[in-house]
Amino acid sequence: ETGVTQTPRHLVMGMTNKKSLKCEQHLGHNAMYWYKQSAKKPLELMFVYNFKEQTENNSVPSRFSPECPNSSHLFLHLHTLQPEDSALYLCASSPAGGGANEQFFGPGTRLTVL
Amino acid sequence: GEDVEQSLFLSVREGDSSVINCTYTDSSSTYLYWYKQEPGAGLQLLTYIFSNMDMKQDQRLTVLLNKKDKHLSLRIADTQTGDSAIYFCAGRSGNTGKLIFGQGTTLQVKP
Repeated sequence: ETGVTQTPRHLVMGMTNKKSLKCEQHLGHNAMYWYKQSAKKPLELMFVYNFKEQTENNSVPSRFSPECPNSSHLFLHLHTLQPEDSALYLCASSPAGGGANEQFFGPGTRLTVL
Repeated sequence: GEDVEQSLFLSVREGDSSVINCTYTDSSSTYLYWYKQEPGAGLQLLTYIFSNMDMKQDQRLTVLLNKKDKHLSLRIADTQTGDSAIYFCAGRSGNTGKLIFGQGTTLQVKP
């Protein structure tokens, strides 16, 4: 247990569906992240939030829409996805600011787009 | 931008030492990390090293950093079958603060 939980763990959706991924951290961190992990590719950073403000959008298509209502919760809203969006979506959190800034990861949501 | 490279696969016998290697390009990297990912799970932080250190030891894990060659290694002593996983090296850019991950090394431990 890393203190970061993600739901659902598995999700299958059609290209016309709308769904949301949820991440919650119980570590008192102020930074939260979404990553995409595809087979045979390095981990890709998607979004970063610091103190609920989005500080990084790594050229992610608008069909992915993040939301951070508070420092403990992070959502990723999905709509009109493509089959190539199928991947493991990982959430992470860290203390904001300098230092080692270790990121703690959740177990991920395995997303399949049909 | 930063690039982090790892070999893709390593196979060892139980009880042997494993050495996983990583090279990076960003000389401004302030911290370098090793993460472990077991099947169906997220990434677990194993250890990290600050860029002004050469070595860090934590129980069975030894991290060596050669800053001149931009080379990082993770040595696992007395490797066990439970160490079978994918190991990711990551560097934290001194300029952007972002973590850049390698593609991961799959460690297979044979009994």
